[in-house]
Amino acid sequence: AQKVTQAQTEISVVEKEDVTLDCVYETRDTTYYLFWYKQPPSGELVFLIRRNSFDEQNEISGRYSWNFQKSTSSFNFTITASQVVDSAVYFCALSEDFGNEKLTFGTGTRLTIIP
Amino acid sequence: DTGVSQNPRHKITKRGQNVTFRCDPISEHNRLYWYRQTLGQGPEFLTYFQNEAQLEKSRLLSDRFSAERPKGSFSTLEIQRTEQGDSAMYLCASSPPRLVTTDTQYFGPGTRLTVL
Repeated sequence: AQKVTQAQTEISVVEKEDVTLDCVYETRDTTYYLFWYKQPPSGELVFLIRRNSFDEQNEISGRYSWNFQKSTSSFNFTITASQVVDSAVYFCALSEDFGNEKLTFGTGTRLTIIP
Repeated sequence: DTGVSQNPRHKITKRGQNVTFRCDPISEHNRLYWYRQTLGQGPEFLTYFQNEAQLEKSRLLSDRFSAERPKGSFSTLEIQRTEQGDSAMYLCASSPPRLVTTDTQYFGPGTRLTVL
């Protein structure tokens, strides 16, 4: 069975600080996909990134970066120079490569950026 | 480019009533998913369609729940004899035809159900 753990329930940082959101996953599959979604107060889940299990390269997109480490089953997300607009709930999710590809989500981390 | 749309956005109903939600996926997306999200939790998978075929249902989907996608375009989720425990956000997502690998699911704004 698949499982995603986001141990940080809530994080608050002052604007312009860097912040890392942790994600640990469990799966028996050798091929799988990892995702991060952002859920702002409006409620709609916004896709941020998808990473497959064979690609362990770190990725950077503007102020966002992701660190994927298969050895520790982790897929962490860092926001550099945080801004108030980054305040949201962030979800890490996992899906299999075959089958219906349903997403298994973690419980989310609520990030608050203090101006 | 139009995203996934869901209607209504909010629904308040009394216990025992039936409710129906609608989801319109991104055009040309043949795969459609329903999830349920309760307060403080991540979304949980309910069911999945590929075109008009419902290929999987979660054990969360009791007999009171039914979903359809009659022509492979929009989908409806009906809850019969609602219970207070059904209060949640119901999210719909769609993804394009699978080519080689798993693709990204794009979510709609959700329908928030409150059962009194």
